[in-house]
Amino acid sequence: SYVLTQPPSVSVAPGKTASITCGGNNIGSKSVHWYQQKPGQAPVVVIYYDTDRPSGIPERFSGSNSGNTATLTITRVEAGDEADYFCHVWDRSDHAMVFGGGTKLTVL
Amino acid sequence: QVQLVQSGAEVKKPGASVKVSCKVSGYPLPELSIHWVRQAPGKGLEWMGGFDPKDEETIYAQKFQGRVTITEDTATDTAYMELRSLRTEDTAVYYCASDAGASGYDLTYWGQGSLVTVSS
Repeated sequence: SYVLTQPPSVSVAPGKTASITCGGNNIGSKSVHWYQQKPGQAPVVVIYYDTDRPSGIPERFSGSNSGNTATLTITRVEAGDEADYFCHVWDRSDHAMVFGGGTKLTVL
Repeated sequence: QVQLVQSGAEVKKPGASVKVSCKVSGYPLPELSIHWVRQAPGKGLEWMGGFDPKDEETIYAQKFQGRVTITEDTATDTAYMELRSLRTEDTAVYYCASDAGASGYDLTYWGQGSLVTVSS
């Protein structure tokens, strides 16, 4: 089965840039979606189809996907960005959705 | 705007079944791909199954095959997820989620979650 690997935690100072990676075999050939989840809340999509940003999501959030790594980048990080972030793909060969283990973003 | 509103919290004993509902508004249910995702306390997201828009069939994660059934009632625009033979490790928040209505595999819209507690 397809596996997505995320770092358990990332820390960043306010105003700096955070990069959260999602590794998978040839993930560049798949569409990657990213979700933000704050405590006690349902996930919210912040990037879908690798690079698209839903309406209402700040331009500070961007995504890229190539080779074996997809990346969620958050520029000018704010305290309100502190949350868990999950990557997600559809694996056609296994006919299954797969989530990464999640990354806890801490704003110092 | 799609809205998904789920049924309330449930407490079940081991071996019992639970059926969680997900009421859809703002978009016709037949034009959405509804999936079910669960999250155990302090853990990550786990996909259970949902509708594959390309093959037009409901598919299930191998882990839950034979124990979960996902259905839809288009008359009431409500989706359901039934999980049988509950174990204590099934204690989790269960979410329904849907794509944006373009037959994709994104999960753009989410319900608020339904807590299912399995305890003797």
